[in-house]
Amino acid sequence: DQQVKQNSPSLSVQEGRISILNCDYTNSMFDYFLWYKKYPAEGPTFLISISSIKDKNEDGRFTVFLNKSAKHLSLHIVPSQPGDSAVYFCAASLNDYKLSFGAGTTVTVRA
Amino acid sequence: DAGVTQSPTHLIKTRGQQVTLRCSPKSGHDTVSWYQQALGQGPQFIFQYYEEEERQRGNFPDRFSGHQFPNYSSELNVNALLLGDSALYLCASSLGQGDTEAFFGQGTRLTVV
Repeated sequence: DQQVKQNSPSLSVQEGRISILNCDYTNSMFDYFLWYKKYPAEGPTFLISISSIKDKNEDGRFTVFLNKSAKHLSLHIVPSQPGDSAVYFCAASLNDYKLSFGAGTTVTVRA
Repeated sequence: DAGVTQSPTHLIKTRGQQVTLRCSPKSGHDTVSWYQQALGQGPQFIFQYYEEEERQRGNFPDRFSGHQFPNYSSELNVNALLLGDSALYLCASSLGQGDTEAFFGQGTRLTVV
C-alpha cells in the first residue's frame, strides 16, 4: 500500500532556475512530512520538513509547501545548483513513528 | 563524531542462505530502525528497536528478524534468502522513539543470486 507517491521519476533543470518536486499522499492522518536527498553510495540525508499545522517552511534555497486539502506537498529549490543533482525522497510520518517514503525523483541540474 | 555506520557495505549471498547486517547508531542515539530500498523504489520500513525491544514492524515476513544490543547497536537477520531480498538495507538511528529526526547510514547492498 503506497501511501506516499512521487509521480515524476526524473526532473531536469538548468542551473540557476527553480526546481519543483511534487509529492502526494493518501493518509490524511500523517502529521509530519520530510524531504530527503540521496547521492549514490550514500544514505538519505535530511533536507527540510514541515508539520501538518503549517503550510510553508523555508530554509535557505529550499522551501516546502503543504496543501492538506489536496494531500499534496512540494519542494522548491531556487536557484538550482549542480550539487543539487541527486535523488529526492518525500516521506511522511504519523505520531513520529516510522517513515513512509515515496519512490523518489532524480534531479539533474544542467550547467 | 561518527554518524551511523553499517557493515558490510556490499554482500553477495545465495538463495536459501542466511545473512546478518550490522548497524552502529550515531553517538547518543538509542533507537534504530531498518529500511529496505529495492531498486527504483523508496525505502520501506522493516522494524524499529528501542530499549532492546522491537517496537514497530512493517509488512515484512518473519524471515526478517533483528536484535538491539545494550550499546544500542543493532543487527538485521534475514533467513531463507530469496532473489527478491536483493536491495539496499538502510539503518536509521534517532534519540527517542521516532524516525522524524533520524540519521541514515550509507546502507548495505545485498545481492542474492
